[in-house]
Amino acid sequence: GENVEQHPSTLSVQEGDSAVIKCTYSDSASNYFPWYKQELGKGPQLIIDIRSNVGEKKDQRIAVTLNKTAKHFSLHITETQPEDSAVYFCAASRGGLTGGGNKLTFGTGTQLKVEL
Amino acid sequence: DGGITQSPKYLFRKEGQNVTLSCEQNLNHDAMYWYRQDPGQGLRLIYYSQIVNDFQKGDIAEGYSVSREKKESFPLTVTSAQKNPTAFYLCASSITGEAGELFFGEGSRLTVL
Repeated sequence: GENVEQHPSTLSVQEGDSAVIKCTYSDSASNYFPWYKQELGKGPQLIIDIRSNVGEKKDQRIAVTLNKTAKHFSLHITETQPEDSAVYFCAASRGGLTGGGNKLTFGTGTQLKVEL
Repeated sequence: DGGITQSPKYLFRKEGQNVTLSCEQNLNHDAMYWYRQDPGQGLRLIYYSQIVNDFQKGDIAEGYSVSREKKESFPLTVTSAQKNPTAFYLCASSITGEAGELFFGEGSRLTVL
């Protein structure tokens, strides 16, 4: 089955700096890669996702890059703010109803702390 | 407001007892999921259902059971066969069973004494 590794497990940055979280996956058939943010005591919430037909996607201060050859993808947060402090999870799936659908395999999470 | 409702938020049970966690959604989503979250282990899939009256085992289904009799509801039973049931349980739904956004509930924390 799929195995997703995520690094670092904790990340502390100064407000305004950039943060980068990296994930690697094992299943070359995976083609959907979302990122979720989980605030304390709440369920995770999708912040950005990328499919295998593109190499990069941006949404304001957040960007995700994908390298299918190397089987790794990364989350980039620029101009970090205190409200970015949370746990971030990467995930991967094969996609398609018969190919695994939305059966996501998650990384182990990164605790991001943005310090004033 | 549309969303996913999990109940109860906190639950304490004695070892050997079965317990059922409720998950209801009013988003009209076809697919629903149960994940287990443990510290340092991310989210692991227990069961998922792509359509009413059908469900499949995830990666850690042993000791759990589910039903999907209604589109809106996907209850999870933690049985006495689950060796380490104390955990945070998250229910989610998505529009279809194909790759796309999962909408999560706020979770249920089960503690077995």
